[in-house]
Amino acid sequence: AQSVTQPDIHITVSEGASLELRCNYSYGATPYLFWYVQSPGQGLQLLLKYFSGDTLVQGIKGFEAEFKRSQSSFNLRKPSVHWSDAAEYFCAVAPNQAGTALIFGKGTTLSVSS
Amino acid sequence: DVKVTQSSRYLVKRTGEKVFLECVQDMDHENMFWYRQDPGLGLRLIYFSYDVKMKEKGDIPEGYSVSREKKERFSLILESASTNQTSMYLCASRKSGLAGSLEQYFGPGTRLTVT
Repeated sequence: AQSVTQPDIHITVSEGASLELRCNYSYGATPYLFWYVQSPGQGLQLLLKYFSGDTLVQGIKGFEAEFKRSQSSFNLRKPSVHWSDAAEYFCAVAPNQAGTALIFGKGTTLSVSS
Repeated sequence: DVKVTQSSRYLVKRTGEKVFLECVQDMDHENMFWYRQDPGLGLRLIYFSYDVKMKEKGDIPEGYSVSREKKERFSLILESASTNQTSMYLCASRKSGLAGSLEQYFGPGTRLTVT
């Protein structure tokens, strides 16, 4: 069965420092991969997505993610974190078929220290 | 701008009450979803609907039912609310099909407390 693992439950980063959030997936075929962000008390907002092509994808708010098939990973990165990036981040995978839902990881909470 | 709205941001109900959570989307999407979100468990799929009057059970359907009488509206029903259904409920929608249409749009969530 498909699954998504986010190994880090909580990460604290200093403002201005770089960030990397890890995501590993389990899926037999080429996956469709997503990163969502959830600010406190809000719904989820799409940061970026990977379907095919260039393995480095750019998203909103200065985020990027790299798909590495050999490592079954889709890690999210940002070169310089801002205090407003404090939120919960979810990685998700979509099976390549119609009529199915996204499968989410359990999330990583990001805290930003000043 | 795409929009998914949920009828309430916060809701407090008593054990045994029948609870309705409403979700409306204005994007003419065929697929709609209900998730519950709990700390440390991420998002878990309760039910989804791929067309009007059509529904499929997700990972945790027990204690819930759904209704989709119109394309834009998807309701989640707790027939007899219990304290273990205290949670954040998120609705989402997406267009039908493969590949580029797999992005899901989320509502703001309803935080339900059952006392």
